[in-house]
Amino acid sequence: GQQLNQSPQSMFIQEGEDVSMNCTSSSIFNTWLWYKQDPGEGPVLLIALYKAGELTSNGRLTAQFGITRKDSFLNISASIPSDVGIYFCAGETSGSRLTFGEGTQLTVNP
Amino acid sequence: DVKVTQSSRYLVKRTGEKVFLECVQDMDHENMFWYRQDPGLGLRLIYFSYDVKMKEKGDIPEGYSVSREKKERFSLILESASTNQTSMYLCASSPTIRTDTQYFGPGTRLTVL
Repeated sequence: GQQLNQSPQSMFIQEGEDVSMNCTSSSIFNTWLWYKQDPGEGPVLLIALYKAGELTSNGRLTAQFGITRKDSFLNISASIPSDVGIYFCAGETSGSRLTFGEGTQLTVNP
Repeated sequence: DVKVTQSSRYLVKRTGEKVFLECVQDMDHENMFWYRQDPGLGLRLIYFSYDVKMKEKGDIPEGYSVSREKKERFSLILESASTNQTSMYLCASSPTIRTDTQYFGPGTRLTVL
């Protein structure tokens, strides 16, 4: 099946720092989604991307759909302690199925 | 607010037991999904359902079955639990087949001894 490689696997940063994570694949995707999972909760959708090259922001979060349609990145600016959690990328090809990345565990030190 | 609830947050079972994981959504969504989440592997789709009594296999259906007798309820069944089924199980529901409209439940952490 398709695979998404998400990096980094974990990040330890200081409050106020910017964060960047990305996902790459050998397959082309029609849609890229970014989720955040708080401890003890299910993932919540942060940003959805639908077109190659698209750049979308949601508050301090910015995500881009790669031109090749095989990659995407998520940036978080000026991190705060409540940004702690696991961030997942997910790509959709066809049949309305999602392929998820391995996740990036983010720790923010106050 | 969409609410997806899962019957247990934590469950401990023994090898060979039959296990039922229940998921209920209160928003009249047509589509429901079961995923398992493992460290380093992300979320993987086990089964999904687009309508009552309808089910389709996801990417890792082996060792699992599902039941959807009512629109609001989607059950995941482990016929004979094995230790490699120890995992976090997440249910999701969606009003459409679009992937950007899935709402997840809080998860059930299942341990099989």
